[in-house]
Amino acid sequence: GQQLNQSPQSMFIQEGEDVSMNCTSSSIFNTWLWYKQDPGEGPVLLIALYKAGELTSNGRLTAQFGITRKDSFLNISASIPSDVGIYFCAGQLRNTDKLIFGTGTRLQVFP
Amino acid sequence: DTGVSQDPRHKITKRGQNVTFRCDPISEHNRLYWYRQTLGQGPEFLTYFQNEAQLEKSRLLSDRFSAERPKGSFSTLEIQRTEQGDSAMYLCATIGVGGVEAFFGQGTRLTVV
Repeated sequence: GQQLNQSPQSMFIQEGEDVSMNCTSSSIFNTWLWYKQDPGEGPVLLIALYKAGELTSNGRLTAQFGITRKDSFLNISASIPSDVGIYFCAGQLRNTDKLIFGTGTRLQVFP
Repeated sequence: DTGVSQDPRHKITKRGQNVTFRCDPISEHNRLYWYRQTLGQGPEFLTYFQNEAQLEKSRLLSDRFSAERPKGSFSTLEIQRTEQGDSAMYLCATIGVGGVEAFFGQGTRLTVV
């Protein structure tokens, strides 16, 4: 199935560090969403982006909708142990109601 | 709890058996999606409904798979003659009228032995 390119694939960081991950595509998206998934659970929505250039924050999380509408990034500041998990981007293509997901970024935070 | 509910959470079945999963959406969410997720991958789209109408099906959805949403509320996903390759997490997500944010259930983990 179709998936977005997400990088990095995994990250191992120390508590307190900042984290950045991004998602790219060759297609244009109307909406970008960022999710976090814990083992054995469904993805949980973190941030939604609705228009090109939009920068949105949710606590320590900041995400941006790329100006070309083909990419998005997510930053996590001052990481804490509970940030551990897999982060997925998801985009909604034009003229469709379905979400396409990225391949995921696995985040490990060490004390 | 008013979130998306999936049942069962786990299912172990023998190859060749049929299985059925259920998804109860957030109340009044008119769009309902099924995704499949294998280990190390992101969720992959299978199919979606707007109310009771099934509007799109992925090529991943072979003829052994069928999904229904008979009254536009809960949905079922049935897999006939299961194969080991069907082992995965099956996720349901719903979106409200005019919205774009998809809310996921906890998933059903299927293991075919």
